[in-house]
Amino acid sequence: DAMVIQNPRYQVTQFGKPVTLSCSQTLNHNVMYWYQQKSSQAPKLLFHYYDKDFNNEADTPDNFQSRRPNTSFCFLDIRSPGLGDAAMYLCATSRETGAYEQYFGPGTRLTVT
Amino acid sequence: KQEVTQIPAALSVPEGENLVLNCSFTDSAIYNLQWFRQDPGKGLTSLLLIQSSQREQTSGRLNASLDKSSGRSTLYIAASQPGDSATYLCAVRHGRGNNRLAFGKGNQVVVIP
Repeated sequence: DAMVIQNPRYQVTQFGKPVTLSCSQTLNHNVMYWYQQKSSQAPKLLFHYYDKDFNNEADTPDNFQSRRPNTSFCFLDIRSPGLGDAAMYLCATSRETGAYEQYFGPGTRLTVT
Repeated sequence: KQEVTQIPAALSVPEGENLVLNCSFTDSAIYNLQWFRQDPGKGLTSLLLIQSSQREQTSGRLNASLDKSSGRSTLYIAASQPGDSATYLCAVRHGRGNNRLAFGKGNQVVVIP
């Protein structure tokens, strides 16, 4: 059974049109992460939630926002997508920070036209 | 700042050969190290997790070793099969700061039938 679910798997949006990507988990983990991965590059952490506590990475553009309404769900909002935001967006969870394993979802591939 | 390097970026091997993939990291203060598999256009599948106190982990044909003091890990895949063709990513969990995962760019592997 899928433990970290991302919807949609493929998303096409227009330049400047807001888009929301969804992640849900059945693991009841405290921590949820959003990564951006561009072609042939390493995944880059955008931000993470520890429970309701939001932690933004210093170099994450203001264009990227996130919401976590409850333990199971976390959303990535891109307010005004640019062509450079086309990428694979990966959601991950872990029980706690520190030495706990991260579990990844299948990703959402975002195309900006 | 933790830096993770995977060399070579790409390699091809004939079916049946053993695969050896190398990962190096600059800061030995880690909680753990994970090896992931990524198929084209897909998310990350966790293969093995090695805690900082461990020297190796095994799962089926896969074996990963960790030498924390020298900042190295090796992933061995025995008797490679065409289905092993994928990109393999190494990631270390920092022991300092906010415990983020630092990824290498991956080894892109092709197993030739």
